[in-house]
Amino acid sequence: RKEVEQDPGPFNVPEGATVAFNCTYSNSASQSFFWYRQDCRKEPKLLMSVYSSGNEDGRFTAQLNRASQYISLLIRDSKLSDSATYLCVVNDIRGSTLGRLYFGRGTQLTVWP
Amino acid sequence: EAGVAQSPRYKIIEKRQSVAFWCNPISGHATLYWYQQILGQGPKLLIQFQNNGVVDDSQLPKDRFSAERLKGVDSTLKIQPAKLEDSAVYLCASSLVGQGGTGELFFGEGSRLTVL
Repeated sequence: RKEVEQDPGPFNVPEGATVAFNCTYSNSASQSFFWYRQDCRKEPKLLMSVYSSGNEDGRFTAQLNRASQYISLLIRDSKLSDSATYLCVVNDIRGSTLGRLYFGRGTQLTVWP
Repeated sequence: EAGVAQSPRYKIIEKRQSVAFWCNPISGHATLYWYQQILGQGPKLLIQFQNNGVVDDSQLPKDRFSAERLKGVDSTLKIQPAKLEDSAVYLCASSLVGQGGTGELFFGEGSRLTVL
């Protein structure tokens, strides 16, 4: 079983739509969680961290459910510039005292006008 | 502030040949990582350095891959001999602390390798 599982999509939504991505992780001892964004043929960049209480950054809301080992990202009022691949990332302490980041395969989003 | 620098951006080689990638991290970042990203997949950690010491190389195929970070600054990743399945983007990243910290990794633009 993979450490992080994501639905690869693609998700194709019109401008202004609300879209949600989900991911699950396998290790219940995982300590920290993130969403990274990767534009086509570009490098990944941190979008936001995910906190247990849930957190919001403008149009983006991230939530964590530790009991179900489930992370979500909600994008409201989608913009054309939101088109990208969204990578779910989990920090797992196995294998290294500093932890290791496991990346999901990413969910591809295309926002159309 | 200058970002993570990588070279070359693109490399095409034949199987069994060798290749080397270079990375210069953000100034002051003690931790340096090499990731492999195969098309359609997320990045996979190959090796992590803290200063010039290896912290985690458990996923590095050591029979053909090697990496070093002399002087604790820039780093090179070498593949010898290359196989077809090594075709991927090799991403270098750096961070102020280890991955257990903020989790924010700053990635370079990557080196895209095609093995024919």
